[in-house]
Amino acid sequence: GQQLNQSPQSMFIQEGEDVSMNCTSSSIFNTWLWYKQDPGEGPVLLIALYKAGELTSNGRLTAQFGITRKDSFLNISASIPSDVGIYFCAGQLAGGGADGLTFGKGTHLIIQP
Amino acid sequence: NAGVTQTPKFQVLKTGQSMTLQCAQDMNHNSMYWYRQDPGMGLRLIYYSASEGTTDKGEVPNGYNVSRLNKREFSLRLESAAPSQTSVYFCASSVLAGGPHEQFFGPGTRLTVL
Repeated sequence: GQQLNQSPQSMFIQEGEDVSMNCTSSSIFNTWLWYKQDPGEGPVLLIALYKAGELTSNGRLTAQFGITRKDSFLNISASIPSDVGIYFCAGQLAGGGADGLTFGKGTHLIIQP
Repeated sequence: NAGVTQTPKFQVLKTGQSMTLQCAQDMNHNSMYWYRQDPGMGLRLIYYSASEGTTDKGEVPNGYNVSRLNKREFSLRLESAAPSQTSVYFCASSVLAGGPHEQFFGPGTRLTVL
């Protein structure tokens, strides 16, 4: 299947720091989604992006749909302990079928108090 | 609204045993999906159902079958479990396969095959 390259694989940061992660692909996407997964739970949708260049915020989270439609980033400002988890990007390929989303392999966020 | 529910939460099987994982959604969504999640592999699509009455293979369908029982329910069956099927299984749903692509996930079933 199509590949989404998500980086970094893991991040060890101090509480209060800002966080940045991204996803890139060689393919064009017409939707980008960002999910968070807590241990033992299913992924929860954080932000959805539908237009190239779109910048959307959800509280301390900000995500952007890259202008080339091949990438997206997620920023978290002033991290807090409950931000710990795995963050996944997911995209719907332009011209993609009904099988839905392609997922990145996730960024593990670990926060040291 | 419960969203997407899955049963059971945990299951241990012996090689060769069969079982069915159940999924239901109460959001009136048309499309439903089954994924497996393995360490370092992200989420991989097993089967999906774009609408009631249709099912299609995803990226990793071998060893699985599905049934879209009605609009609400989508089950995943392992006919003869193998240790390679040890994984966490997630069901998801979305409004419409060709429309807004936001998928909503259940809490998962953690399956171990011995």
